Formats: sequence, C-alpha cells, structure tokens
Amino acid sequence: DGGITQSPKYLFRKEGQNVTLSCEQNLNHDAMYWYRQDPGQGLRLIYYSQIVNDFQKGDIAEGYSVSREKKESFPLTVTSAQKNPTAFYLCASSPGSSGANVLTFGAGSRLTVL
Amino acid sequence: GESVGLHLPTLSVQEGDNSIINCAYSNSASDYFIWYKQESGKGPQFIIDIRSNMDKRQGQRVTVLLNKTVKHLSLQIAATQPGDSAVYFCAEKNGGFKTIFGAGTRLFVKA
Repeated sequence: DGGITQSPKYLFRKEGQNVTLSCEQNLNHDAMYWYRQDPGQGLRLIYYSQIVNDFQKGDIAEGYSVSREKKESFPLTVTSAQKNPTAFYLCASSPGSSGANVLTFGAGSRLTVL
Repeated sequence: GESVGLHLPTLSVQEGDNSIINCAYSNSASDYFIWYKQESGKGPQFIIDIRSNMDKRQGQRVTVLLNKTVKHLSLQIAATQPGDSAVYFCAEKNGGFKTIFGAGTRLFVKA
C-alpha cells in the first residue's frame, strides 16, 4: 500500500537535545511538507520541499532543519533552538506543490520535551 | 493577511441527522478549497475539494458548497454516523504551493 510513514510515533526529549523525526513516502510524490499542530489549533507549515535537494522555509521554520537527499525521504530535526518544541508533527506529500494538489498525511509524531 | 477560519469550534449532532460545518476565508484570490478530516491521534485525511469555478460538489454522503460572494465554504454530511466524529479542517490554496488551514471544528456524534 502506498503511503507516508512517520517515526517514531511518540518521542520524549530533554531540554537542549536535538531530535530527528523520520518521514518516508512511497507515493512517488515530488513535494513533501512538515507541519506542526498544537492542541486546538490548525496546522502551521514548518518547511516544504518541491524537489530533491531543494527546500524552503514555511511560516515557523525557526529552530527546525530539514534535508531532502532522496525523493522518498524528508527528515525533520527539532533543534535545541526551538523554544517550545512540544507538539504533534505531521509530514505530508503531494504530486506537486502548486495548483490543485491534495496533501496526503502521515500518522504524525508526538514530541514531548521533559 | 490570508486566513481561513471557522464559525464554530465544536458541533454536536444526533446520529442520523445532517451536519453542517462552516468556514470563512479572507483571500479572494484563493481558487481551490479542500476539506480534511482528522481523527484523534491520526493525520488529516482528504474528504472533498472544490475549485473556485464551482458552487457545489457532491461526494459520498458529503457535499461542499462555495459562496464566493461572501467568501464562505461549508461541508454538509448527510445521515451523520458515529464514525464521522472527528475534527474537520477547511483549507485553501491560491495557485501557489501553500495550503492554508483553518483552526478546525470538532464534530461530536451522539448515539
């Protein structure tokens, strides 16, 4: 079955530590995205990538970093510079980034800072 | 600035009744609108979409209505079932890369 796999599902981190969230897709989609979701709120865009070896900052990129070395993979690193990292992180992909493209989401990773 | 909002944060309906979830958008240049459903602990899933050159689009038990005059979008769910309980997000695009999400409406279905 085609889809998006995020891991780990739950992650605990101590303050000052960097953590990396994995996102893998087998949909052959060109575009990939990372969103952050806080309780009772909508989704906010962290980073997106339209093609391999290219990515752009979204609305809340500070304290995060990404890479896109392979088409199917788009890992997100939450660095110690992110002041409030506890949140639900969602990875998504789409065939392209512009126009009428629907996002396919993974199941999410819940990060808690202790 | 651009924003997508919802009139009601929560909606409670009786099983079997019809549900209507409303959404307001502010960017008149948006030309594509999508409804997503998010169940607890999961990622959002696509429900239905509509382009700006349409007023209405129907799916299986769901209908989306678009009123561009007042920048309003609604999702109608017929014969609401317990499995419809979730948070529903409207989202908009204006031809670019960015999908703008609203805050979401939580739908409770009472048995």
